[in-house]
Amino acid sequence: DGGITQSPKYLFRKEGQNVTLSCEQNLNHDAMYWYRQDPGQGLRLIYYSQIVNDFQKGDIAEGYSVSREKKESFPLTVTSAQKNPTAFYLCASSPRRQVVNTEAFFGQGTRLTVV
Amino acid sequence: KNQVEQSPQSLIILEGKNCTLQCNYTVSPFSNLRWYKQDTGRGPVSLTIMTFSENTKSNGRYTATLDADTKQSSLHITASQLSDSASYICVVNPNTGNQFYFGTGTSLTVIP
Repeated sequence: DGGITQSPKYLFRKEGQNVTLSCEQNLNHDAMYWYRQDPGQGLRLIYYSQIVNDFQKGDIAEGYSVSREKKESFPLTVTSAQKNPTAFYLCASSPRRQVVNTEAFFGQGTRLTVV
Repeated sequence: KNQVEQSPQSLIILEGKNCTLQCNYTVSPFSNLRWYKQDTGRGPVSLTIMTFSENTKSNGRYTATLDADTKQSSLHITASQLSDSASYICVVNPNTGNQFYFGTGTSLTVIP
């Protein structure tokens, strides 16, 4: 089945540690995204990538880093520089924008808790 | 500035009742608008898509409307069920770039 997979579902991190969230898709989508969701707030864009080996900062990129070495994978690293990392993280992918009715397909999310 | 605003922020209704959620946007140029349903702790799932030329589209008990002139959309839920309890997110896709613009969502709770 085609889809987008995030792992792990739950993640605990000690303060000062870096942690990497995985996102894999087998939909042959060019674009991939990382969003952060906090209670009572909408999704906020962290980073996005429209093609392999290229990515752009979103609205809240500080304290995060990404890589796009393969079309299928877009891992997100939450660094110790992110002051408030506890949140629900969603990964999404979409076809090229030239495709009519472009839709973002979402993973099931990773809940990160800093302890 | 491209924005998507949803109202109400939260809503509680009795099982079996109808409700309407609102979405206003300023995103331009406009390509399409989607309504997503997000259950707690899970990723959003697409319910309907509205393109510029469409006014109404139904998906079971969900009916979405779009007025591209006033840049407003609504999602009407008929005969609500307990399983409709979720956040409903309006997402607008411009026809430039790959970014999506998200509303903050409406949290719907259906009570027996």
